[in-house]
Amino acid sequence: QKEVEQNSGPLSVPEGAIASLNCTYSDRGSQSFFWYRQYSGKSPELIMSIYSNGDKEDGRFTAQLNKASQYVSLLIRDSQPSDSATYLCAVTNTDKLIFGTGTRLQVFP
Amino acid sequence: KAGVTQTPRYLIKTRGQQVTLSCSPISGHRSVSWYQQTPGQGLQFLFEYFSETQRNKGNFPGRFSGRQFSNSRSEMNVSTLELGDSALYLCASSFGGTENTGELFFGEGSRLTVL
Repeated sequence: QKEVEQNSGPLSVPEGAIASLNCTYSDRGSQSFFWYRQYSGKSPELIMSIYSNGDKEDGRFTAQLNKASQYVSLLIRDSQPSDSATYLCAVTNTDKLIFGTGTRLQVFP
Repeated sequence: KAGVTQTPRYLIKTRGQQVTLSCSPISGHRSVSWYQQTPGQGLQFLFEYFSETQRNKGNFPGRFSGRQFSNSRSEMNVSTLELGDSALYLCASSFGGTENTGELFFGEGSRLTVL
């Protein structure tokens, strides 16, 4: 079992829709959770962090964490073509940051 | 403020050679992490350095090594290159502190091709 699992996609959504990206992790002791965005040919950039159960909102982005289910999600409201990228879920594990393989999101006009 | 700088950006080597990659973190950042990114495996953690000490290490063979200097700049070295070492090597910096916060700032990467 991989430490951090994501569906590779692609996830295709129309412009203006809500994109829902999901991630599960294996280590119950994980404390910190992150979403990074990586455009094609570019390096990852941090877009959201979440540390406690529940929702955290930042503009059009909402991160959701459920530690009991070992599940993290990212919602992107009013999706734009510029949101088309690979979204990487990352989890701290014994002080290392472990990444999932990413979900490719395509937002079509 | 300047971002994370990695050199060289592109390089081609042949099997059996060795390579050294360099990373200059954001000013004030004391932690440098290295990752290998390949299409099949995604981002895989190599190691993390903080205050010139290796603080964490991933599951890579001993051919992969690194170091950090007193100015926080870091280098990683891969010896006896194999075809499977072809990848994008990403360096990321963070403030560091008592533990890795996970809030990393990535450089643009060094793309290594092994022939």
